[in-house]
Amino acid sequence: ETGVTQSPTHLIKTRGQQVTLRCSSQSGHNTVSWYQQALGQGPQFIFQYYREEENGRGNFPPRFSGLQFPNYSSELNVNALELDDSALYLCASSVQGWGGETQYFGPGTRLLVL
Amino acid sequence: DQQVKQNSPSLSVQEGRISILNCDYTNSMFDYFLWYKKYPAEGPTFLISISSIKDKNEDGRFTVFLNKSAKHLSLHIVPSQPGDSAVYFCAARTNRGGSNYKLTFGKGTLLTVNP
Repeated sequence: ETGVTQSPTHLIKTRGQQVTLRCSSQSGHNTVSWYQQALGQGPQFIFQYYREEENGRGNFPPRFSGLQFPNYSSELNVNALELDDSALYLCASSVQGWGGETQYFGPGTRLLVL
Repeated sequence: DQQVKQNSPSLSVQEGRISILNCDYTNSMFDYFLWYKKYPAEGPTFLISISSIKDKNEDGRFTVFLNKSAKHLSLHIVPSQPGDSAVYFCAARTNRGGSNYKLTFGKGTLLTVNP
């Protein structure tokens, strides 16, 4: 059973650019959530996808968008990058419904915006 | 508005002794609480969880206690080992209509277990 994987591990972009981060869910999991973790903070919920649709969103602007594919892999897209977008981006997979309360995290993608 | 608070940024204990990490929350709608451990350059690793209808859950050296009236939970690690040194995050789940929804995290507590 493979765990949650993310790519790339590190990324450097400049302000105004666009970035796409990728995530592969743990086998058997149909729900993916994305979190942003700034330095010294806990992860902050961005959004969740289930059945290829957004299933909830945190307090992030529309320039943060996502996709979930039929194989349950996922992408996080961020447009018009700002310096404050520099953070660790974490993807977590889980199962909808009873017994699926636990979210399992990938290793994260560290994004630096210059 | 921080709904999940871990008021101790760091904790240092001696190997073999008990480590107690604390977490407070404000939102009565949280229905599940989880603890994650995070090493540098890795994602959070799930440790243990507890439903809001329980007051204790135990898994090996790890026990989580929930006091709903005080909106407080704690993680006990007995005995503590040097490999337990990591940042520990308390997280709470908001359940919306039976669907898995977001986790709200505290800022974390850095635990150092000294040999």
